[in-house]
Amino acid sequence: AQSVTQLGSHVSVSEGALVLLRCNYSSSVPPYLFWYVQYPNQGLQLLLKYTTGATLVKGINGFEAEFKKSETSFHLTKPSAHMSDAAEYFCAVSDQADQFYFGTGTSLTVIP
Amino acid sequence: EAGVAQSPRYKIIEKRQSVAFWCNPISGHATLYWYQQILGQGPKLLIQFQNNGVVDDSQLPKDRFSAERLKGVDSTLKIQPAKLEDSAVYLCASSLEVIGYEQYFGPGTRLTVT
Repeated sequence: AQSVTQLGSHVSVSEGALVLLRCNYSSSVPPYLFWYVQYPNQGLQLLLKYTTGATLVKGINGFEAEFKKSETSFHLTKPSAHMSDAAEYFCAVSDQADQFYFGTGTSLTVIP
Repeated sequence: EAGVAQSPRYKIIEKRQSVAFWCNPISGHATLYWYQQILGQGPKLLIQFQNNGVVDDSQLPKDRFSAERLKGVDSTLKIQPAKLEDSAVYLCASSLEVIGYEQYFGPGTRLTVT
């Protein structure tokens, strides 16, 4: 069975600072990995995904994530935080058995 | 293209009452999901449809929850009778297929059970 761990339920960064949100997964087979963002009172929106190929994936709004198989990680980064990045971020993993699992989420606060 | 539609957006009911939520997925998406998201938690899958067949309903509390997807398009999720712990946001999502495809989410229905 798959599992997803997001380290840090709350992360605060200053505007313009680096954003780093951590995600680790457990999987016995190569997974498909996703990051979603959820703004207040809205559904989840896909930021980026990794399926195969290049391990550094670029997404919307300047976010990117790197798949590191040896570390079973898929951390999300953004070089410079903007106030509009304040939201809840979810890492998710899907395996070959078409199961889809979400992490518990990380709430990002951007301090002006 | 139009996104995933859900209605109502908000619903307040008393415990032991019944409630139904509706979802219209993106046109052409074969797979439809219902999730329950309790405040401060990640979405929990309740049921997954592939066309009009159920793929996974292992976490659906079948004594009170039911869902159907007639004709492989729209879907309804029903709770009867509701309990206080059912207060949550119910999210509907759809995807083209299952393996490796991202899910597109609707805005959700916020249910409050008093």
